Amino acid sequence: GAGVSQSPRYKVAKRGQDVALRCDPISGHVSLFWYQQALGQGPEFLTYFQNEAQLDKSGLPSDRFFAERPEGSVSTLKIQRTQQEDSAVYLCASSLITENNSPLHFGNGTRLTVT
Amino acid sequence: GDSVTQMEGPVTLSEEAFLTINCTYTATGYPSLFWYVQYPGEGLQLLLKATKADDKGSNKGFEATYRKETTSFHLEKGSVQVSDSAVYFCALLNTNAGKSTFGDGTTLTVKP
Repeated sequence: GAGVSQSPRYKVAKRGQDVALRCDPISGHVSLFWYQQALGQGPEFLTYFQNEAQLDKSGLPSDRFFAERPEGSVSTLKIQRTQQEDSAVYLCASSLITENNSPLHFGNGTRLTVT
Repeated sequence: GDSVTQMEGPVTLSEEAFLTINCTYTATGYPSLFWYVQYPGEGLQLLLKATKADDKGSNKGFEATYRKETTSFHLEKGSVQVSDSAVYFCALLNTNAGKSTFGDGTTLTVKP
């Protein structure tokens, strides 16, 4: 596709449910990032991949959060036993490579609401 | 760790007014600096970038200069339009860490 695609666009989960958020990056983009954006704030880094390797997961807030990119293309962010504080917009971004002149290309995000 | 501080908003201007949105950063090494823009209902997209000190990024009439001595990357536009109404995010890319750090965003509303 022409851009980064995320699905679903909106997700409502009851507290305690598991959710899976999908990201389809731009074809050929080596690096893939997940960010969490709370209302009125900037994106906060969660994790990133270079191809299928998860190089940094230091931003994942707890062991309930898990991300994978098994074939170096599509990625899934999974949140187990969702809590209300997990409510946020989850942004996926991809870039050609993590060099200092490679900007991020963002998807439109998945808005997660935990009730 | 790395951090980015943007001037607080919201900012409301009349069409054709001059715009400045301040951005300062703290980082190890030599980061690249970016401004991203989010128009209503859309995802974040790159507005401009600068990869080394004294570089000037420019796009769509917007400009920002990478000032290492003041650790700043202020966004400017000489004459804003209604269509510039959006949220603007300043960000840095630390290539050692491989990840970008964002400010909290500044909401700009331009009135006709």
